[in-house]
Amino acid sequence: AQRVTQPEKLLSVFKGAPVELKCNYSYSGSPELFWYVQYSRQRLQLLLRHISRESIKGFTADLNKGETSFHLKKPFAQEEDSAMYYCALWGGGSNYKLTFGKGTLLTVNP
Amino acid sequence: GAGVSQTPSNKVTEKGKYVELRCDPISGHTALYWYRQSLGQGPEFLIYFQGTGAADDSGLPNDRFFAVRPEGSVSTLKIQRTERGDSAVYLCASSPDSGTAYGYTFGSGTRLTVV
Repeated sequence: AQRVTQPEKLLSVFKGAPVELKCNYSYSGSPELFWYVQYSRQRLQLLLRHISRESIKGFTADLNKGETSFHLKKPFAQEEDSAMYYCALWGGGSNYKLTFGKGTLLTVNP
Repeated sequence: GAGVSQTPSNKVTEKGKYVELRCDPISGHTALYWYRQSLGQGPEFLIYFQGTGAADDSGLPNDRFFAVRPEGSVSTLKIQRTERGDSAVYLCASSPDSGTAYGYTFGSGTRLTVV
């Protein structure tokens, strides 16, 4: 069975502070991990995925297979980063569904 | 269209009624997915279509839920004898290729409220 855990329901930081949104997963194979973001009154959209190893809007995430984690990080948070963030896992093969965590609501205060 | 379109955006129905939720995917996307997002939860998989056929319906909670995609484009999620526990946001997503989860585009969702 595959599972994604986001331990923090809410996270509040001040503008300019570093932010880390935690994500842990359980899966027996080699999954593909994603971070999705939902800004207020907007649809769910892909932020980044581990395979591309890219930085989007200053966010990065590294897959740590030993700790089965995929934490999302940004060194200096901005007010426009305030949103709901979901970590998601895809098991690959014939399993095309995404398994999502419950999400973390990030608030960046001025 | 430019994105995944879902209608209606909001639906309020009485317990026991039948509802249909529509999803219009991005033109040319062969894969289509339905998810359900209950309050305080992440989206949960319901069903996946590759073309016209339901390739995986393992997430449908019971036989009151059914979905079709007769021409390989628009899909309809049908819920019979609705219950208050069916209240949620129903999300549709499409992608050009079912071989990867990259390229998912989500719609804005239909918020279903069963009273």
